Amino acid sequence: KAGVTQTPRYLIKTRGQQVTLSCSPISGHRSVSWYQQTPGQGLQFLFEYFSETQRNKGNFPGRFSGRQFSNSRSEMNVSTLELGDSALYLCASSSGQANWWYFGPGTRLTVT
Amino acid sequence: GENVEQHPSTLSVQEGDSAVIKCTYSDSASNYFPWYKQELGKRPQLIIDIRSNVGEKKDQRIAVTLNKTAKHFSLHITETQPEDSAVYFCAAIKESGGYQKVTFGIGTKLQVIP
Repeated sequence: KAGVTQTPRYLIKTRGQQVTLSCSPISGHRSVSWYQQTPGQGLQFLFEYFSETQRNKGNFPGRFSGRQFSNSRSEMNVSTLELGDSALYLCASSSGQANWWYFGPGTRLTVT
Repeated sequence: GENVEQHPSTLSVQEGDSAVIKCTYSDSASNYFPWYKQELGKRPQLIIDIRSNVGEKKDQRIAVTLNKTAKHFSLHITETQPEDSAVYFCAAIKESGGYQKVTFGIGTKLQVIP
């Protein structure tokens, strides 16, 4: 099976802009979660979707939002970008069995 | 909410020595504890996991131990090799009614010196 894919892999935006990141889970996986990874904060949980419903949400401001489509693909949106949003954004998918989460390669977002 | 503390943040060992990374969690309802390895520039990958009804699990050179009473779990790597150099993340997962709440530790950068 193909692994988790994320697009784009790299992105440069300026402050105040908005950005949409995409994640395609492993075929058959219905759960998708998103994480922000920064050198100082490690992996921080953003949100998790299952069957188009947000099941869990981390402690991030409302500028961070997401959604999941009927084919389980997920998008994450960040509005009014700030310099501190520069990070690697990882998504992971799971079939729900055994709790195994498989990570995508990430999208490296740089905000200038 | 759950809080996971991971120590140390960096660890250097000589090739062949053992490495131990420790994590503590705060929510006694967490019941699944995976460990991920992230090599430089690559995605995190699951390397071993343990459930709350098990005290120890081993897979070749890596092992994980869990102390539910003390709410801590550890990753042990024996006979370390240069390819073990990576950042290791622990996580605590609480499963409830089909929902999962995942909290990661901050990561440990392991360097194995040849």
